[in-house]
Amino acid sequence: EAQVTQNPRYLITVTGKKLTVTCSQNMNHEYMSWYRQDPGLGLRQIYYSMNVEVTDKGDVPEGYKVSRKEKRNFPLILESPSPNQTSLYFCASSDRDSAGNTIYFGEGSWLTVV
Amino acid sequence: AQKVTQAQTEISVVEKEDVTLDCVYETRDTTYYLFWYKQPPSGELVFLIRRNSFDEQNEISGRYSWNFQKSTSSFNFTITASQVVDSAVYFCALSEASGGYQKVTFGIGTKLQVIP
Repeated sequence: EAQVTQNPRYLITVTGKKLTVTCSQNMNHEYMSWYRQDPGLGLRQIYYSMNVEVTDKGDVPEGYKVSRKEKRNFPLILESPSPNQTSLYFCASSDRDSAGNTIYFGEGSWLTVV
Repeated sequence: AQKVTQAQTEISVVEKEDVTLDCVYETRDTTYYLFWYKQPPSGELVFLIRRNSFDEQNEISGRYSWNFQKSTSSFNFTITASQVVDSAVYFCALSEASGGYQKVTFGIGTKLQVIP
């Protein structure tokens, strides 16, 4: 079954405590990305990766890091989380060669920073 | 730059009413794709439809229908005879091929509440 798996699904953490949200896909997709969803702002892209070791900033990259050491994994790292990073996060993957490719989303990770 | 506008932030309808969710987009590309996603209260994003810029045929799937008009850059979504299970946030999205990858821009979403 085609899947994008994110963990953790729910997390409450404190300001400044580093955390990582993992993302893994089983479809051999080259393209992966992270979005955050906030009320009134929709989904905004944080970072994306076109392939292993190739990453780039999206629209709202400040305060986040990513890495792509393996094709299937694309973790999102918050080195020093702050309350304004409280949000719902989605990982997504797709084949990269067409704008019409199906985008597969993870189930979302609810993150609260207190 | 690409842009998606969903002007209706929240809509409430009584069950069995029809409702249309508006989506207006901006793009300079001649080849692009439009999507609609549903986000129920549980939070996941459910794919509803994809339409490419060369196919302006309207589409119907059960109680759902979509009206794509390039002349007005709109891709509106209509639910006929709405049901409580239709209550969700609906996102319209625009996808372009940019620098060899898929650049997707989402609207802010329309929250639909169907009242029994």
